[in-house]
Amino acid sequence: GAVVSQHPSRVICKSGTSVKIECRSLDFQATTMFWYRQFPKQSLMLMATSNEGSKATYEQGVEKDKFLINHASLTLSTLTVTSAHPEDSSFYICSARERTRRSGGELFFGEGSRLTVL
Amino acid sequence: AQSVTQPDIHITVSEGASLELRCNYSYGATPYLFWYVQSPGQGLQLLLKYFSGDTLVQGIKGFEAEFKRSQSSFNLRKPSVHWSDAAEYFCAVAARGTDKLIFGTGTRLQVFP
Repeated sequence: GAVVSQHPSRVICKSGTSVKIECRSLDFQATTMFWYRQFPKQSLMLMATSNEGSKATYEQGVEKDKFLINHASLTLSTLTVTSAHPEDSSFYICSARERTRRSGGELFFGEGSRLTVL
Repeated sequence: AQSVTQPDIHITVSEGASLELRCNYSYGATPYLFWYVQSPGQGLQLLLKYFSGDTLVQGIKGFEAEFKRSQSSFNLRKPSVHWSDAAEYFCAVAARGTDKLIFGTGTRLQVFP
């Protein structure tokens, strides 16, 4: 099956610094990728939809200046948590839809990235 | 508001026993329905999905799910659980024609030998 890889899988940073998380589709092209956030014992919450070559679409309540998303190629989307604070500590997961598939098809998920802000 | 409820946070079963994981949703119209499984350190994997047609859906790894419109439910079942099925299971919905998934809180399945 298709593989989506996230890097890093774990990151610890100091408060006030910025952290970049990468999401790569390894064996397929993805025009659309999605970023989720998962708090302990809670659902995955969709943060934003990342579209290759255009601006991301953010869900209500998600600060776009804090969570910068860039989808510069058909295989890579990045999420940058700017000026991180302890409350940004969470598990971040991405998913991708293969370029030729219609909406509602299978999404392929990365392994997730655990961010801890000290 | 759209929501997905998985009432069982944690379920423990013996290997070989049958399994049913519950999922109820609240949505304006019949959405797309999904079950995903997440093993430790791995991404979510799609088990099965319902779009339309036959309300009993077969998935991978011997799982099936039944859509019941009257109950707004999409429960996941397996007749005989294997130790390798121990994982976190997520039910999700999406509006028709979109990929914007709304997830339940998940059910952690533990399997005893």
